[in-house]
Amino acid sequence: KAGVTQTPRYLIKTRGQQVTLSCSPISGHRSVSWYQQTPGQGLQFLFEYFSETQRNKGNFPGRFSGRQFSNSRSEMNVSTLELGDSALYLCASSFWGNSYNEQFFGPGTRLTVL
Amino acid sequence: SQQGEEDPQALSIQEGENATMNCSYKTSINNLQWYRQNSGRGLVHLILIRSNEREKHSGRLRVTLDTSKKSSSLLITASRAADTASYFCATDASGSGGSNYKLTFGKGTLLTVNP
Repeated sequence: KAGVTQTPRYLIKTRGQQVTLSCSPISGHRSVSWYQQTPGQGLQFLFEYFSETQRNKGNFPGRFSGRQFSNSRSEMNVSTLELGDSALYLCASSFWGNSYNEQFFGPGTRLTVL
Repeated sequence: SQQGEEDPQALSIQEGENATMNCSYKTSINNLQWYRQNSGRGLVHLILIRSNEREKHSGRLRVTLDTSKKSSSLLITASRAADTASYFCATDASGSGGSNYKLTFGKGTLLTVNP
């Protein structure tokens, strides 16, 4: 079974631009979560989607948004990029997205904001 | 704020030795998961231990959970150079079987296994 895939793997943007990242979960998984990883803050939860609905959201500004499609694929968007948005963005999927399921992570998208 | 705190922050051992990493957390949890990350890449899932379990094994990995002390440990036996990575514990505190799945991570332990 193929793992979680994320595209693109690397991205360079300038301040003020917007960016869209894509995540394809493991086949059959319906829950997709997004995390931001930076050296200073570590791994932080952004949001989680299940059946096209956002069920949980972390403490990030409204510039960070996401959505999930009917095939469970998910995208996250960051508008008006800031230098501090430079990070590794990780997507994770799980079957039901509850406490009984493991979360499996993709390879991440490395975003650099100049 | 981080729910989990790994200890030590860095660990350097020789190939063949055992490596033990600890994780402490603050609130009641449903489960605790350990992940490995190689140099800025994605997280690899190692093991999940539920709150009603005390010990779990997977290959060379042994995980223990002490909910009374709110702590967990990850033991890697007979370490190899390929085990060099950062190791994270992640807790889920979303309520019993909760549908709001949100993992909280510690800052990780950087393990270096010298050949």
